[in-house]
Amino acid sequence: GIQVEQSPPDLILQEGANSTLRCNFSDSVNNLQWFHQNPWGQLINLFYIPSGTKQNGRLSATTVATERYSLLYISSSQTTDSGVYFCAPYSGTYKYIFGTGTRLKVLA
Amino acid sequence: DTEVTQTPKHLVMGMTNKKSLKCEQHMGHRAMYWYKQKAKKPPELMFVYSYEKLSINESVPSRFSPECPNSSLLNLHLHALQPEDSALYLCASSQEGQGSQPQHFGDGTRLSIL
Repeated sequence: GIQVEQSPPDLILQEGANSTLRCNFSDSVNNLQWFHQNPWGQLINLFYIPSGTKQNGRLSATTVATERYSLLYISSSQTTDSGVYFCAPYSGTYKYIFGTGTRLKVLA
Repeated sequence: DTEVTQTPKHLVMGMTNKKSLKCEQHMGHRAMYWYKQKAKKPPELMFVYSYEKLSINESVPSRFSPECPNSSLLNLHLHALQPEDSALYLCASSQEGQGSQPQHFGDGTRLSIL
């Protein structure tokens, strides 16, 4: 099955800093989602991005399906951005395969 | 506010108990999912229902029994669980389309088995 790697595994930032999270996947995919899981366990859909670039406020995402990676950019980070970020490429027949996540902590 | 509602938020049960988790959505989605998430791990797919029919069972032990009584409701019946079944159980839904549509998650049920 498809393998998903996320980097870095852990990230600590000062408030206001920018960061880039990376998701590599081992096979071509038709769709990909990015999620933020906050410290209370809520899993929030950030982007549904099969290819190209999308922006939502301070967050943006780019997927290059032909090169099998996706990037999530966080600008001007805030303490509320803390949590775990998962990418989940679609592997077919209802299955999104979650990566191991990037654990982000933003310090005030 | 989440559009997928899960109840209860927390559940503590003994290994001999029978309990049920409930998930409800009113977005008109026809695909619904159960995931299990252990601490510091990603969510793992357990079951998928499409148009109220079970489409995927990821070799889940029979002590977990899913049910989809209608297009808005998904249940997970629990019986004779083991301590290792303690986890966060997440429900999700999506538009039908062989599952390639974006998934929307509920807030989860934190389950502890004594």
